[in-house]
Amino acid sequence: SYELTQPPSVSVSPGQTVSITCSGHKLGDKYTSWFQQRPGQSPILVIYQDTTRPSGIVERFSAANSGNTATLTISGTQAVDEADYYCLAWDSITATYVFGGGTKVTVL
Amino acid sequence: EVHLVESGGVVVQPGGSLRLSCAASGFTFGDYTMHWVRQVPGKGLQWVSLINWDGDDTQYADSVRGRFTISRDNRFNSLHLEMNRLRAEDTALYYCAKDKGSRIQPALYSFDIRGQGTLVTVSS
Repeated sequence: SYELTQPPSVSVSPGQTVSITCSGHKLGDKYTSWFQQRPGQSPILVIYQDTTRPSGIVERFSAANSGNTATLTISGTQAVDEADYYCLAWDSITATYVFGGGTKVTVL
Repeated sequence: EVHLVESGGVVVQPGGSLRLSCAASGFTFGDYTMHWVRQVPGKGLQWVSLINWDGDDTQYADSVRGRFTISRDNRFNSLHLEMNRLRAEDTALYYCAKDKGSRIQPALYSFDIRGQGTLVTVSS
């Protein structure tokens, strides 16, 4: 089965930039999405189709996807960005969606 | 505004059955593929199942295939998940989600989770 691998945690200072990676075999050939989940809340879609921000998502969220790695970047990180982040991809071979294990972003 | 309200989660014994529902509003329900996603408390997200706009196409995660059945009723803007032969590892918060694409739009391979979820606990 297809697998997506994320680092368990990353930390960042307020105002700095942090990048979260998501790795999978030929992931660049698939469309990747990213979800943010703040403590005690439901997940929110912050990126879809590799690079598109849904309406209402702030510009400091950006993403890229190439080769075997997709990357979510948060610029000018704020305390409100402290959350778990999950990548998602569609595996056409198994006709299933796959989530990465999630990355906890801590704003120090 | 898109609104999804899940219901039906309860405590059930291993081997038991349960039916979850999701009431949708704020969009043309019959135009969209719908999904179920679950999350074990304190753990990560897992996609469970999808059903296309008219119910002709359904897909399942390996862990639930053969035990769970997804369905929809476009007359009543409702999505359902019939869960049979439940196991302890099915214990989770279950969310329904609306696909980003639609019947008249190319697939975008993503979805929005808009509800608060309904908690299923499988325990004796």
